[in-house]
Amino acid sequence: DSGVTQTPKHLITATGQRVTLRCSPRSGDLSVYWYQQSLDQGLQFLIHYYNGEERAKGNILERFSAQQFPDLHSELNLSSLELGDSALYFCASSPQEGDVYNEQFFGPGTRLTVL
Amino acid sequence: GQNIDQPTEMTATEGAIVQINCTYQTSGFNGLFWYQQHAGEAPTFLSYNVLDGLEEKGRFSSFLSRSKGYSYLLLKELQMKDSASYLCAVRPFSGGYNKLIFGAGTRLAVHP
Repeated sequence: DSGVTQTPKHLITATGQRVTLRCSPRSGDLSVYWYQQSLDQGLQFLIHYYNGEERAKGNILERFSAQQFPDLHSELNLSSLELGDSALYFCASSPQEGDVYNEQFFGPGTRLTVL
Repeated sequence: GQNIDQPTEMTATEGAIVQINCTYQTSGFNGLFWYQQHAGEAPTFLSYNVLDGLEEKGRFSSFLSRSKGYSYLLLKELQMKDSASYLCAVRPFSGGYNKLIFGAGTRLAVHP
């Protein structure tokens, strides 16, 4: 158990809908990262937040957005869902940002199925 | 651009040694990570290299050559539970960013 929690574990929804995925980082960690893992692709970096501020963006679609709240939990919002959005969505956290050795601890993931 | 290459699949025998290679081309380099991921589960951290050379951690070792854009993960005394995907990830940026770029992963099957 990494200490990172994600809810829900599974989510099944229809095309065109909107969903919110939630992540609580490890106690004391200020950084939260979101990744998408599809069957045919590796882990794709989506976005990084540090202490409430967006720090880096990857290949995140405009239909997706995220935020980190004052209590450091984060939410990933996916809208106008398409079949291709079906994937495992992982959240990871780390203590800080910077050039130091900074392992990311991954949560158990949310499996999203779009029908 | 950014590119990370690893073999898609490997097989090995219980008790043996296996080496999983990773080559990378990224805009900037600020560390290379190896993660293990069992099917449907979260990736778990195995090792980190930022300087050239070998880092050893029990049955697992990781090597880095920055000039060659090359790393390998060495697994010794293989056990059945080592059957998993092994992900190579590069942190390309410095200056406060901890974004990781992952390779597609190498699926390792350990046979008795």
